[in-house]
Amino acid sequence: NAGVTQTPKFQVLKTGQSMTLQCAQDMNHNSMYWYRQDPGMGLRLIYYSASEGTTDKGEVPNGYNVSRLNKREFSLRLESAAPSQTSVYFCASSPGRLGLQEVFFGSGTQLSVL
Amino acid sequence: GENVGLHLPTLSVQEGDNSIINCAYSNSASDYFIWYKQESGKGPQFIIDIRSNMDKRQGQRVTVLLNKTVKHLSLQIAATQPGDSAVYFCAENMAGNFNKFYFGSGTKLNVKP
Repeated sequence: NAGVTQTPKFQVLKTGQSMTLQCAQDMNHNSMYWYRQDPGMGLRLIYYSASEGTTDKGEVPNGYNVSRLNKREFSLRLESAAPSQTSVYFCASSPGRLGLQEVFFGSGTQLSVL
Repeated sequence: GENVGLHLPTLSVQEGDNSIINCAYSNSASDYFIWYKQESGKGPQFIIDIRSNMDKRQGQRVTVLLNKTVKHLSLQIAATQPGDSAVYFCAENMAGNFNKFYFGSGTKLNVKP
């Protein structure tokens, strides 16, 4: 039982390049999330998926797209990376049911955009 | 996002002392709160949670207190150990949207041996 697994752990991009961050969970959770964490700040929600087949914007969705490929996988895509997207990205999941709301996090992807 | 903020960005305590980390929230509709611990280079880990119908909840060495009147949340760590050194975040969730959590900016806890 690996929990939430995200890849890659580190990535350096040039401005304008694109990339996809991958995330998978093996806990049969309904809900999945992508957060970004900037130095000295808390986590900000980029997008979330309440269930397979649905996605919704969070606090800071601009510049990102997501795909809920199936129940296990939720990917985050940067179509044209910008230096402002330099951050640590965390994927997370939760059962997504009232009363079962604990959110489990992956270990993070450190992204630098030059 | 919602205003979930912390009073003290950095807290230094002596090993063996008790620690208290505070958090303020602004939305009275929030009904579920979680404290997370984040060690360097890792993702946040669940510590303890509390629902708005409670004002206190205890775990192993940790206690969360919720004061809905002043919209304040605190995390108490008893007999703080070096392994408790980390950044601690509170997160709130509003009734009716249990998929969306808002996080505070975090408090760094330094435990001095």
